[in-house]
Amino acid sequence: AQTVTQSQPEMSVQEAETVTLSCTYDTSENNYYLFWYKQPPSRQMILVIRQEAYKQQNATENRFSVNFQKAAKSFSLKISDSQLGDTAMYFCALEGSNYQLIWGAGTKLIIKP
Amino acid sequence: DVKVTQSSRYLVKRTGEKVFLECVQDMDHENMFWYRQDPGLGLRLIYFSYDVKMKEKGDIPEGYSVSREKKERFSLILESASTNQTSMYLCASSPPRGRALGEQFFGPGTRLTVL
Repeated sequence: AQTVTQSQPEMSVQEAETVTLSCTYDTSENNYYLFWYKQPPSRQMILVIRQEAYKQQNATENRFSVNFQKAAKSFSLKISDSQLGDTAMYFCALEGSNYQLIWGAGTKLIIKP
Repeated sequence: DVKVTQSSRYLVKRTGEKVFLECVQDMDHENMFWYRQDPGLGLRLIYFSYDVKMKEKGDIPEGYSVSREKKERFSLILESASTNQTSMYLCASSPPRGRALGEQFFGPGTRLTVL
């Protein structure tokens, strides 16, 4: 079975600090996609960053970057220079064998001023 | 920009009522999904559809049905609402499946309370 585990239910950091959210997964596929989605309070879920498993280079999007370790099945999200607008629920997701998404339980991230 | 809209942000219904949740997307996406979101459980897939009049069960279809008569609209139906169906319901859509994509576009969600 394919699974996604986020072991940090809630985290909080001061504005401008760097924070890393953890995600581990399990799949028997060799090629797949991993995603981090963000759900701000009372707002729509949006894609933050996507990683293709066959690419060794870690994906980056401005202040957001991932540390993808395929052998360890680990996919962490690093947010640099955190801002108040980064306060949100963050979900890690794995593309399943039938192209559906398998979701982690989420991490609530609070950025304190 | 892709826009996915849901008919209600908040809904309160009574046990046993038939409940309709509507979702409309304006980007001509083939794929549409219904999830429920509960604290500590993430998103769980209820039903999805790859085309008009097509539907496939997700992980938790019991107590739900869906309808997709038009490409842009995907409805979730609770035949007889129960208190354990109190939850946040999220609709999503995505383009035709290609390995280079995978992104899903979400609506704002409907918070359903069943009394």
